[in-house]
Amino acid sequence: ETGVTQTPRHLVMGMTNKKSLKCEQHLGHNAMYWYKQSAKKPLELMFVYSLEERVENNSVPSRFSPECPNSSHLFLHLHTLQPEDSALYLCASSQDWTESSYNEQFFGPGTRLTVL
Amino acid sequence: GESVGLHLPTLSVQEGDNSIINCAYSNSASDYFIWYKQESGKGPQFIIDIRSNMDKRQGQRVTVLLNKTVKHLSLQIAATQPGDSAVYFCAEKAGTYKYIFGTGTRLKVLA
Repeated sequence: ETGVTQTPRHLVMGMTNKKSLKCEQHLGHNAMYWYKQSAKKPLELMFVYSLEERVENNSVPSRFSPECPNSSHLFLHLHTLQPEDSALYLCASSQDWTESSYNEQFFGPGTRLTVL
Repeated sequence: GESVGLHLPTLSVQEGDNSIINCAYSNSASDYFIWYKQESGKGPQFIIDIRSNMDKRQGQRVTVLLNKTVKHLSLQIAATQPGDSAVYFCAEKAGTYKYIFGTGTRLKVLA
């Protein structure tokens, strides 16, 4: 596999369920990102990990819990979500050098999440 | 054109014509910009980028223009093809890890 992969591609869950989204990057990058993409809204950054350490957390509700066990894998654990959390969840990775680097992000195909 | 937070505009272009998609960015200190293409059911795909020390950059059939005076970015696609149909959005680098993304413009290519 190449690039950034995400599983599952589609997920339907009830508000009381617990599920996890998985992202894997095969690019040798050391920074990984979770984004939320809702209809007609810009991409919203949720979490950023650099060298497996969380470096950005954009006021995301605690019902979303990220995990980065190594630089190639990123998870988003979901618990007691709300219908308004239904969206496309995108994972991305980039090479992280310094603050002044121009680090293009490579995106996965996303997980289409529907919360009933 | 598009600006962060607005509804998704649509640009319809005849096949073979040139397309111009516009983007207004917010931070005059932003020094790096990217254009992405997102096809239905897929994640965003990098098209071209530009740094703030440039005002034009060309790729294969695409050109990005940067006007820092008015904080405006444009993407030009030459000889638009059906495969170019997608949503296009710009992103400005707003921090070490943070990008601000536009809402996007839907490009429809008419046969």
